Amino acid sequence: DADVTQTPRNRITKTGKRIMLECSQTKGHDRMYWYRQDPGLGLRLIYYSFDVKDINKGEISDGYSVSRQAQAKFSLSLESAIPNQTALYFCATSDLRAQGADNEQFFGPGTRLTVL
Amino acid sequence: GENVEQHPSTLSVQEGDSAVIKCTYSDSASNYFPWYKQELGKRPQLIIDIRSNVGEKKDQRIAVTLNKTAKHFSLHITETQPEDSAVYFCAASNSGYALNFGKGTSLLVTP
Repeated sequence: DADVTQTPRNRITKTGKRIMLECSQTKGHDRMYWYRQDPGLGLRLIYYSFDVKDINKGEISDGYSVSRQAQAKFSLSLESAIPNQTALYFCATSDLRAQGADNEQFFGPGTRLTVL
Repeated sequence: GENVEQHPSTLSVQEGDSAVIKCTYSDSASNYFPWYKQELGKRPQLIIDIRSNVGEKKDQRIAVTLNKTAKHFSLHITETQPEDSAVYFCAASNSGYALNFGKGTSLLVTP
């Protein structure tokens, strides 16, 4: 089945380290997103990309950067991790071409990141 | 930008009762309103959505209503079952733009 995958699934790192979270999809979707989830705060958008040459900041982009290496790959980087970036990170995809379902988002399994 | 408020943050019901979760949005241009369910340790998954040209949509035990004038929409779950226990998120967007999510409602259905 076509899916959205994330690596790593869990990561513990130290303050100041550079971290990359990777997202791949076999759905053939053009749009990809990165969210972070914190208890009581819901899903907050970090960055999104509507195609390979398009990158947009979301609600909470400070401290993060992204790279859309190909239609199927979208990476999130923390250049210098800090403890308040400890969270569950989700990648998601959507397909503009889907009839009547252009906004439905399909989520990856999540990456649990802990910054000590 | 769009702001989505969701209430209540927690909801406990007895099995068989109905559950209602409400959301309001701020951007009158929003025209797509999905609901996602996230079970413990799992990824969010779409359970139902509604577009602005429709006032109500049903799928078995779940339904969503939309009041565009008041800018609010609601999720209704009837005959709740323990497996309905999860966190539910509402969201809003203007077609072609990213989703803006509410903060979530933790629903507990007790036998």
